Amino acid sequence: DARVTQTPRHKVTEMGQEVTMRCQPILGHNTVFWYRQTMMQGLELLAYFRNRAPLDDSGMPKDRFSAEMPDATLATLKIQPSEPRDSAVYFCASGLEGGPLHFGNGTRLTVT
Amino acid sequence: DQQVKQNSPSLSVQEGRISILNCDYTNSMFDYFLWYKKYPAEGPTFLISISSIKDKNEDGRFTVFLNKSAKHLSLHIVPSQPGDSAVYFCAAMWGNTPLVFGKGTRLSVIA
Repeated sequence: DARVTQTPRHKVTEMGQEVTMRCQPILGHNTVFWYRQTMMQGLELLAYFRNRAPLDDSGMPKDRFSAEMPDATLATLKIQPSEPRDSAVYFCASGLEGGPLHFGNGTRLTVT
Repeated sequence: DQQVKQNSPSLSVQEGRISILNCDYTNSMFDYFLWYKKYPAEGPTFLISISSIKDKNEDGRFTVFLNKSAKHLSLHIVPSQPGDSAVYFCAAMWGNTPLVFGKGTRLSVIA
């Protein structure tokens, strides 16, 4: 059963440090999404890609967040510098255009 | 502005009874609606969907109803089982736009 794989599962870091989260989408899927889950906002869209091209990253704080897809098997989300308000669970999801998304199990980020 | 709203943060139901989870949306462009289920420490998993050309879709114990005029959809689970205890997210999209999620409803099925 194909799955979206996210690493690391947990990350604790100090304010000001760089954080990199990685995602391996399901082979053959042409869309990749980054969502963030917080208690207050639910699941917020941060960025998404179609055929590796970034389509929308308006949900991300541009000065500190960046999302890339160096190749079809890897998507990354970086935060530099990290802040305590970035603490959340970050989910990667992949899918075929117009169809349901398949989510990874998330990276729980804690910034102290 | 929340385009997809789940106004009940939590719901408790007795095992064997019906669970009804509700969702409202504001964007009339939405034409595809989905429900996801999420257990703790896991990602959301797709449960059931409905296209705007239908008003009902059924899959085993799960049925989704869509009322376009009211911009309202609901998920019915019959009969409810303890394993159904989870957070349920309603989501919507149109065309090839990204899914927009509600904030979720935590369902507790009590044995």
